[in-house]
Amino acid sequence: EDQVTQSPEALRLQEGESSSLNCSYTVSGLRGLFWYRQDPGKGPEFLFTLYSAGEEKEKERLKATLTKKESFLHITAPKPEDSATYLCAVTNSGGYQKVTFGTGTKLQVIP
Amino acid sequence: DAGVTQSPTHLIKTRGQQVTLRCSPKSGHDTVSWYQQALGQGPQFIFQYYEEEERQRGNFPDRFSGHQFPNYSSELNVNALLLGDSALYLCASSYRGLAKNIQYFGAGTRLSVL
Repeated sequence: EDQVTQSPEALRLQEGESSSLNCSYTVSGLRGLFWYRQDPGKGPEFLFTLYSAGEEKEKERLKATLTKKESFLHITAPKPEDSATYLCAVTNSGGYQKVTFGTGTKLQVIP
Repeated sequence: DAGVTQSPTHLIKTRGQQVTLRCSPKSGHDTVSWYQQALGQGPQFIFQYYEEEERQRGNFPDRFSGHQFPNYSSELNVNALLLGDSALYLCASSYRGLAKNIQYFGAGTRLSVL
């Protein structure tokens, strides 16, 4: 069964203080790894998808990287509006698009 | 272009009752997946519908059932509600024809069971 473990569970940063979130995964043939952002009471918002080890994607202050066992979401010079829960998820190479999520990292950026 | 829409936004039921949640997928999408998200947890996969059939199911009892209509919209039905069914129910849509697909989520329906 596919598994996703995210760490830390919660992270508190000062505005401008860069850091990284970790996502470790076990999957029977990775089809894709996804990062989502979720604000309280709302649905997850798609950020990135990565498909193979060594791949990197960037969007504003966020950069996602992928290895064969884990993914990192690097946050450079965060702002208070980056505060949210960041979810990591994987799909396997099976025929259907079941997505397995981690429990998320709750990020708080303090002005 | 409307994204994924879900209704209602909030719902309060009592134990033993039945509930139906609705989802309209993003334009151009043909696949709908349903997730349950308890407070402080990640979304848990319930099932996925494509071509009006349930294609894959997570570890949820038969009390959870669904339907997909010809216009790709979908319903999630939960019978004999339990207190533990209180959660945010999320619908996600995608286009199956795209091998490297991305699922887009709606804002969810918050279900409270009293």
